[in-house]
Amino acid sequence: DAKTTQPPSMDCAEGRAANLPCNHSTISGNEYVYWYRQIHSQGPQYIIHGLKNNETNEMASLIITEDRKSSTLILPHATLRDTAVYYCIVRVILTGGGNKLTFGTGTQLKVEL
Amino acid sequence: DAGVIQSPRHEVTEMGQEVTLRCKPISGHNSLFWYRQTMMRGLELLIYFNNNVPIDDSGMPEDRFSAKMPNASFSTLKIQPSEPRDSAVYFCASSLSGATDTQYFGPGTRLTVL
Repeated sequence: DAKTTQPPSMDCAEGRAANLPCNHSTISGNEYVYWYRQIHSQGPQYIIHGLKNNETNEMASLIITEDRKSSTLILPHATLRDTAVYYCIVRVILTGGGNKLTFGTGTQLKVEL
Repeated sequence: DAGVIQSPRHEVTEMGQEVTLRCKPISGHNSLFWYRQTMMRGLELLIYFNNNVPIDDSGMPEDRFSAKMPNASFSTLKIQPSEPRDSAVYFCASSLSGATDTQYFGPGTRLTVL
C-alpha cells in the first residue's frame, strides 16, 4: 500500500486558509488520494478525493502535484468547527471488489480565534 | 438519507460476555466495512464485505471476533467472549463499488469491557 506522511499537528487562525500537506511518493498511477477528517468522538467524515487533477467542492480544495507525489488540502476559510484530525489516504482497490483505506495518524488541525 | 446507522452507540459489558454490534449501511451501497479505533493502534480495518460476501477478514484480531452480513441492509460484529483489551470505538462504513467508491462512516459504537 502507498504510504502517506503528514505533519502531526498544525494551527490556523479562524477565517484564514488552512493548508494541510501530504506526501505520498510511492503512489501508483491508478490510486486515488482521499481526505477524511475526524472531529472528536465522531466517525470519519469524507472531505474530497482526486486522481491527478485539482478538485474543489463545498468543503475544500485538493491540489495534487504534477508528479502526484504530494498533495495539499485547502480549507479556504477555517472556522472553529474545522478543528479535527485530518487524514490523507491513498485508496487501494482490492481484488474481489471494494476498496481499502489505510488510516495513518493524520494531522491534528487546531483552529483558534 | 439517513446515513450509516450503528447500534448501540455505547456498550458496557463484563469480561467474558458476548457482545453484538449492529450496522445498517446506506441504502443501495454494496460494500460494508468494520473498523476499530483505539488510542494505541489508531483506526484499523477489521473486515469488509462486498455484495454481502466477506472479502478480506485479515484484520480480525482473533477467533473471538466474527462478522456476518445476512443481507444488503444489515451486518453484525460479534465478540465472544469479550476481553478488556477489546475496549474501543467500532465504526461501520459503507460504499457503492465503482471507480471512486467513497466510504461513508457511521457514528460508531463505544465498547467498554470491564
